[in-house]
Amino acid sequence: DQQVKQNSPSLSVQEGRISILNCDYTNSMFDYFLWYKKYPAEGPTFLISISSIKDKNEDGRFTVFLNKSAKHLSLHIVPSQPGDSAVYFCAARPSGSARQLTFGSGTQLTVLP
Amino acid sequence: DAGITQSPRHKVTETGTPVTLRCHQTENHRYMYWYRQDPGHGLRLIHYSYGVKDTDKGEVSDGYSVSRSKTEDFLLTLESATSSQTSVYFCAISDHGGETQYFGPGTRLLVL
Repeated sequence: DQQVKQNSPSLSVQEGRISILNCDYTNSMFDYFLWYKKYPAEGPTFLISISSIKDKNEDGRFTVFLNKSAKHLSLHIVPSQPGDSAVYFCAARPSGSARQLTFGSGTQLTVLP
Repeated sequence: DAGITQSPRHKVTETGTPVTLRCHQTENHRYMYWYRQDPGHGLRLIHYSYGVKDTDKGEVSDGYSVSRSKTEDFLLTLESATSSQTSVYFCAISDHGGETQYFGPGTRLLVL
C-alpha cells in the first residue's frame, strides 16, 4: 500500500510554460516533504522541501505547495526549461522517531523546446 | 555535491552468489541509507544506519544485510542473489535522520 503516490507517470510541457507535478499522501503523520530530481544514470538530487507548518515554499523557479487537508502537494516549475527534463520524486517523512523518507514512484517530466 | 561514491557502479552476477555493494562518504554524516529503485516503485528503503554498528531494517530488507564498521563506509550484502534483486541501488547520507538526504550515483546490478 503506497503511502506516497504520484499518479502521473509522465508529463510533457512546452518550454517557457508552467510544469505542475502532483503528489498525494495517505499518512497523516508525515510532517516534512521533499522533491528530488533525477537524471538518467545519476543519483537523485534534492530540489526543494516544505514543512507541514507551511503551505508554500519557493526557491527561484521552483515552488512547492502543500494542502494538508487534502493530503496533497504539488511542485510548480516556472518557466520550464529543457534542462528540467528529468524524473521527479516526491518524498515524505513522518514525525516521531521513525524519521525515514517514503518516496513516490516518480513522474517523468519532458520539456519540449 | 556531497562526497558519496558507490562501488561497483555496474555488476552482473549469477543467482545464488553473494554480492557486496559499498558506499563511501567523505562528509562525516551520521546517517546512511540503502535504497533500491525499480520501475513503478520509486525508491524503497532497504536498510539504514544511524551510527557505527547501529543499523535497522527498512521496507524491503528481506535477503539483504548491512554492516557499518566505520563512519564513512556502509556495505550492503545480498546473501544469495536472486533475479528479483536485479535493480539499481542507491546509497544516501544525511546529517540528521530524515532530513535532506544526499544520494550517491547508484549501482546497477543484474542477477542472471
